[in-house]
Amino acid sequence: KNEVEQSPQNLTAQEGEFITINCSYSVGISALHWLQQHPGGGIVSLFMLSSGKKKHGRLIATINIQEKHSSLHITASHPRDSAVYICAVNSYGGSQGNLIFGKGTKLSVKP
Amino acid sequence: NAGVTQTPKFQVLKTGQSMTLQCAQDMNHNSMYWYRQDPGMGLRLIYYSASEGTTDKGEVPNGYNVSRLNKREFSLRLESAAPSQTSVYFCASRGVETGDPYEQYFGPGTRLTVT
Repeated sequence: KNEVEQSPQNLTAQEGEFITINCSYSVGISALHWLQQHPGGGIVSLFMLSSGKKKHGRLIATINIQEKHSSLHITASHPRDSAVYICAVNSYGGSQGNLIFGKGTKLSVKP
Repeated sequence: NAGVTQTPKFQVLKTGQSMTLQCAQDMNHNSMYWYRQDPGMGLRLIYYSASEGTTDKGEVPNGYNVSRLNKREFSLRLESAAPSQTSVYFCASRGVETGDPYEQYFGPGTRLTVT
């Protein structure tokens, strides 16, 4: 079983829809990251969470430490949001700072 | 501030050839990483360097070697390339200098094909 599981694997939405991507993990963590990878390949960090909720523009990330679950929400989705969204965690058991990655969720937003 | 740079962007090798992927960062970070990304799989750690002068194996180190040349540069070498090493390779760095000590900054990637 993978230590970081994401769902769904693929997601197609119409422009304007509210989108949710889920991440579950099975290890104790010190932090959880949401990353975005555009079709060109570059990977950028969106959020880093250790508790609660963070918001940046139309993106919202939440984490429930007790349930070992995080969600990434996109409000009023737009075609430029089309990308692969990757969840990653820093685990307590791993080397400091090393990340364990989920397989990613490929989002396609149609106009 | 270029962040993390990687060269080359694309490379085609024949089985058995060798090559070195270069990575450099200008953020004065201590930690640097090499990952590979394959279809249907998450990013997997090949090697990492927690600080200048140290390197450690990650999840998939076989067939690779690394050198932390100085604080800025971390190279990945394929001594005898195999088709199974066809992948996209990402370098990343991390350090307190850019704010959050856990946040990793990624290079643009190198797309390698081994025929």
